[in-house]
Amino acid sequence: DIVLTQSPGALSLSPGERAALFCRASQTVPSTYLTWYQHKPGQAPRLLIYGASTRAAGVPDRFSGSGSGTDFSLTISRLQPEDFAVYYCHQFVTSPRNTFGQGTKLEIK
Amino acid sequence: EVQLSESGGALVQAGGSLRLSCSTSGFDFSGYALSWVRLPPGKGLEWVSTNLVGSTYHADSVRGRFTTPRDSSKNMLYLQMNGLRAEDTAVYYCVKGRDYYDSSGSLAGVAFDYWGQGTLVTVSS
Repeated sequence: DIVLTQSPGALSLSPGERAALFCRASQTVPSTYLTWYQHKPGQAPRLLIYGASTRAAGVPDRFSGSGSGTDFSLTISRLQPEDFAVYYCHQFVTSPRNTFGQGTKLEIK
Repeated sequence: EVQLSESGGALVQAGGSLRLSCSTSGFDFSGYALSWVRLPPGKGLEWVSTNLVGSTYHADSVRGRFTTPRDSSKNMLYLQMNGLRAEDTAVYYCVKGRDYYDSSGSLAGVAFDYWGQGTLVTVSS
């Protein structure tokens, strides 16, 4: 299985700041198969980014994804109070088998 | 509007069985893969299984114990869990899959585009 390692494990920032989250794969993941999700406690996870860089419908443009090969990132340009959540990267290379990263918890400083 | 709604979560003893149900609406049920993903307490998301309209796939951790049938007449997905273990304790989410295509018709992305609210399964040892 492809292992996705996210860093940092937790990040404390203030509203208005920029957040950079990283995801490293144990082997090459074609961009088509790399996604990012946002998860808030008690809610359903939400698709943010598919194809490594394409925002899902309704996702604000302060969210952007990039990367290729084994290294990917999610950037939130100006944090809003509603952005504090856990973020997961995810791969579908061996679809339908798939794996998630362990998550990055974005906390209010 | 796409909707997924799980039910059936409960407290069960180790070795026991439980069936989760997922009621769906708002999309062509027969045209999409449906999956179960779980969130164990204090851990990250973990794929459990996928029903790809006729074929099913399971994570190594549940293969041989869980099955994932779907009923197209009722637009329902199920997760039959047997031989439950303490490590199966988690919130279980029903998830719809989707392939995205670009303007040239090439595959541009594969994702879980809609998720249910989840149902809690607690296995006591």
